[in-house]
Amino acid sequence: KQEVTQIPAALSVPEGENLVLNCSFTDSAIYNLQWFRQDPGKGLTSLLLIQSSQREQTSGRLNASLDKSSGRSTLYIAASQPGDSATYLCAVLNFNKFYFGSGTKLNVKP
Amino acid sequence: KAGVTQTPRYLIKTRGQQVTLSCSPISGHRSVSWYQQTPGQGLQFLFEYFSETQRNKGNFPGRFSGRQFSNSRSEMNVSTLELGDSALYLCASSPGRTTNNEQFFGPGTRLTVL
Repeated sequence: KQEVTQIPAALSVPEGENLVLNCSFTDSAIYNLQWFRQDPGKGLTSLLLIQSSQREQTSGRLNASLDKSSGRSTLYIAASQPGDSATYLCAVLNFNKFYFGSGTKLNVKP
Repeated sequence: KAGVTQTPRYLIKTRGQQVTLSCSPISGHRSVSWYQQTPGQGLQFLFEYFSETQRNKGNFPGRFSGRQFSNSRSEMNVSTLELGDSALYLCASSPGRTTNNEQFFGPGTRLTVL
């Protein structure tokens, strides 16, 4: 069964720092990997989708990489801002089911 | 393009009752997935519907059921509610094609069981 782990569980950084969030998965037979952010009490907002054949995707200050062979993905956030404060979740699509990590709660201090 | 909508947004029920939640996907999307989110278990996959057929199912008891209509709108039903069913229920839509499975989530329905 696919297991997705996200480290760290929580992260607090000063505004302006570059940071990396990690996601690992146990079964490399994934179809794609998607990063989301979730604000308290809200639904999930899609940030980036990486197909299994891709190595990375970029959107603005966000860059996500995928290494299927090692079962890892990273989300890089450049020049963090207080508005980036949220919980970040990664999800992998494996045999038509999505498996989610437990998330990294990010706090960017002004 | 309108996003995924879920109704109602909040719901309070008592143990033993049943509840129906509704999800309208993004126009043109044929796949709707349902998830339960709790502080203890995180996000757990309930089931996925594609073209009115259940295509995938998670590990939830039979009290949890769903259906999808010809316009791709989906409903989820929970019968004989238990306290542990209190959660945020999220639905996600996607085109459903093997070449594009990006999921888009709705705002969720917060269910409280008393």
